[in-house]
Amino acid sequence: DAKTTQPTSMDCAEGRAANLPCNHSTISGNEYVYWYRQIHSQGPQYIIHGLKNNETNEMASLIITEDRKSSTLILPHATLRDTAVYYCIVREYTGNQFYFGTGTSLTVIP
Amino acid sequence: AAGVIQSPRHLIKEKRETATLKCYPIPRHDTVYWYQQGPGQDPQFLISFYEKMQSDKGSIPDRFSAQQFSDYHSELNMSSLELGDSALYFCASSNRVGSYNEQFFGPGTRLTVL
Repeated sequence: DAKTTQPTSMDCAEGRAANLPCNHSTISGNEYVYWYRQIHSQGPQYIIHGLKNNETNEMASLIITEDRKSSTLILPHATLRDTAVYYCIVREYTGNQFYFGTGTSLTVIP
Repeated sequence: AAGVIQSPRHLIKEKRETATLKCYPIPRHDTVYWYQQGPGQDPQFLISFYEKMQSDKGSIPDRFSAQQFSDYHSELNMSSLELGDSALYFCASSNRVGSYNEQFFGPGTRLTVL
């Protein structure tokens, strides 16, 4: 079952940073935080994941609080093509399925 | 880079008919997952296979079955189709012994039951 809480929707101006929060207060020590996004009926796309350290890749940055009870996905320069539903998921590293919660519908505004 | 391939991309069936969805994972991926996404809903896990053995089971109806073959491709068999089975069906694959174990999703099969 989903173990995360995310805002239902957010807007972001094109070119600005998009900061998407996620609460996972019941996360256990061996669970990772994964972020995926789904652009209108396409297959979910992997963005980034982390355990306790902040992570950065070519798509985004992931900031995890020290107590690991929440995290923020940062898209540094949002474009119109970043409009999508963003899912924050917690899962054990060797775990199986992803349980998708409601996700945040991000709209990037020109 | 090669991605997950699903076929067919679109399928229209009548009630009570059967349907077979196919998934070809990324080369060298040993695990396949099936998800169902109804209209306006979030993806729901159905079933997964690791090295051709069922590894986990989610909310898959008894009318559905799936298997993973020796070449690692997987098929989802759906019988006695109902109107409520109309949905997007995604397959994902991963390499369990890989360093990150993230799942890579295919483009989905849109099933419409009339």
